[in-house]
Amino acid sequence: NAGVTQTPKFQVLKTGQSMTLQCAQDMNHEYMSWYRQDPGMGLRLIHYSVGAGITDQGEVPNGYNVSRSTTEDFPLRLLSAAPSQTSVYFCASNTQGGTEAFFGQGTRLTVV
Amino acid sequence: LAKTTQPISMDSYEGQEVNITCSHNNIATNDYITWYQQFPSQGPRFIIQGYKTKVTNEVASLFIPADRKSSTLSLPRVSLSDTAVYYCLVGPLSNDYKLSFGAGTTVTVRA
Repeated sequence: NAGVTQTPKFQVLKTGQSMTLQCAQDMNHEYMSWYRQDPGMGLRLIHYSVGAGITDQGEVPNGYNVSRSTTEDFPLRLLSAAPSQTSVYFCASNTQGGTEAFFGQGTRLTVV
Repeated sequence: LAKTTQPISMDSYEGQEVNITCSHNNIATNDYITWYQQFPSQGPRFIIQGYKTKVTNEVASLFIPADRKSSTLSLPRVSLSDTAVYYCLVGPLSNDYKLSFGAGTTVTVRA
């Protein structure tokens, strides 16, 4: 099993550009989430999904969109990148009532 | 979600035991205590989870007193590779798709 796979690992965007961060898991987990981590801080929840076709906002959703058409994939879209979105983005998955969440390796995004 | 308080940083030496205490005074009846470890440039990794008393696995031990208002993560005989940020999370298992991370405790292990 690959676990949770995020692509790309690094990305530089210009202000106003759009892009999609990819996240895929092969563990058949119901739950998937996106977090961002700024320097010296913990992770903050952007969006989450409790199953295919079901998504909801987390703590910091502005400027991001998500959809979940399959159990395996949960892409995060930046609509119009801003320098404030420079961060490291982590995708996670876990099973309902499960003990632990599994995180991807992260995508380091820089917006100039 | 219960608010947690843990030290910002701790220093240790190889071979010592490291104990990180997390305060969670307003923990709810159905809340569990979970610890994650994060190395630089990596995603967090689950270490241990407990509800009460003591839980031990191959990596760490978790001590939870009867009132559950605090918990202590114990890392036995640390090595340089245990240098990382450790996060204490408190919440119900039904909310495990929206974890709440604080700033964590940066543990630095020196030779």
